[in-house]
Amino acid sequence: EVQLEESGGGLVQPGGSLRLSCAVSGFAFSSYDMNWVRQAPGKGLEWVSYISSSGGTIYYGDSVKGRFTISRDNAKNSLYLQMNSLRVEDTGVYYCARDRWAPGSPLDYWGQGTLVTVSS
Amino acid sequence: IVMTQSPDSLAVSLGERATINCKSSQSVLYSANNKNYLAWYQQKPGQPPKLLLYWASTRESGVPDRFSGSGSGTDFTLTISSLQADDVAVYYCQQYYGSPPGHSFGQGTKLEIK
Repeated sequence: EVQLEESGGGLVQPGGSLRLSCAVSGFAFSSYDMNWVRQAPGKGLEWVSYISSSGGTIYYGDSVKGRFTISRDNAKNSLYLQMNSLRVEDTGVYYCARDRWAPGSPLDYWGQGTLVTVSS
Repeated sequence: IVMTQSPDSLAVSLGERATINCKSSQSVLYSANNKNYLAWYQQKPGQPPKLLLYWASTRESGVPDRFSGSGSGTDFTLTISSLQADDVAVYYCQQYYGSPPGHSFGQGTKLEIK
């Protein structure tokens, strides 16, 4: 069974940092591209970042570019999101999600999400 | 690519048809394979999104056949042929055509029972 489980969310002050993790099981993690998608309270979905299966190709949404860093450890079946210089508008649930196939793919499996709250 | 859904909310009686529209700011049809890089997701309260359809009209495994998708290029439609109580949710369209991968989503359509 495919499982993705996010962790690391919490309350942080504006300007602070947080590192999210996504532990996966049930599939060959090293063969799949991965993403982070977030959802502000009561709002829609916003794609945040993408990383290829090898980690060699990375993209970010404009709203997080220069502040967030995506990475992965294929040996540990884990995906990460380092979030720095956090802003109030970064508040929301952060999901990790799998690309079904190579770039140009829907997101076929999602974690349950971890809540990040940026507030003073 | 900007995705725009209509309407923002919709109330339909049980057993009736529900139709949600999605428009992309540029074509998501890739001429080399004649595929539309468009997906639909369903999100229920407190849950992550669930993939319903991809390639605009291909149902994900396990999705009931009352869900169907149509359209090409820039205009797409999600249809629920006979609304069930379990279909109450927010529905999102998403393009996966852009390069670099952007996975941009529509703003969502909230579907309720009338």
